[in-house]
Amino acid sequence: EVQLVESGGGVVQPGGSLRLSCAASGFTFDDYAMHWVRQAPGKGLEWVSLISGDGGSTYYADSVKGRFTISRDNSKNSLYLQMNSLRTEDTALYYCAKERCTNGVCYFDYWGQGTLVTVSS
Amino acid sequence: QSVLTQPPSVSAAPGQKVTISCSGSSSNIGNNYVSWYQQLPGTAPKLLIYDNNKRPSGIPDRFSGSKSGTSATLGITGLQTGDEADYYCGTWDSSLSTYVFGTGTKVTVL
Repeated sequence: EVQLVESGGGVVQPGGSLRLSCAASGFTFDDYAMHWVRQAPGKGLEWVSLISGDGGSTYYADSVKGRFTISRDNSKNSLYLQMNSLRTEDTALYYCAKERCTNGVCYFDYWGQGTLVTVSS
Repeated sequence: QSVLTQPPSVSAAPGQKVTISCSGSSSNIGNNYVSWYQQLPGTAPKLLIYDNNKRPSGIPDRFSGSKSGTSATLGITGLQTGDEADYYCGTWDSSLSTYVFGTGTKVTVL
């Protein structure tokens, strides 16, 4: 059974930093790209970042580029999101999601339950 | 601000049908595959449709997807109270090199 369990959320002041983790199990972790997706309270889904299975390629939304860094440790089946220079607008529930690609068709087939990040003074 | 536009809400009586549109452009829907996600209240999103019109195992055939040009549509027939949720379309945007989600649509069963 695929499981994605996020952790590391909490309350942080504007300008502060936080590191989110996502522990994966139930599949061959390094075979799959992974994403972070966030959802501000009462708002829609916003894609944040993507990392390839080997960690060699990364992509970011403009809203977090230069402030957030996605990484993974395939030996630990873990995905990370280092968040620096946090802003109040970064307040959201952060989900990790597993990507599945078949013949060029890619989508998110599993999601974690999310970890809440609150940026407030 | 999302590049994929959905209606904020749709509603219908139990047993009826609703459709949700997702409008994009040639850099996203027009040249990439669309997936749809269902988010029940207080839960994580769940894959509903992938590759424009395919259902993962376990998703009933009451849910269907289609794509034409730069728009996609999700259909739900035989509406049930358990279908009350937020629905999001999503795809890769080749110009932005980012994944993009729709603005989301709340389905209400009257």
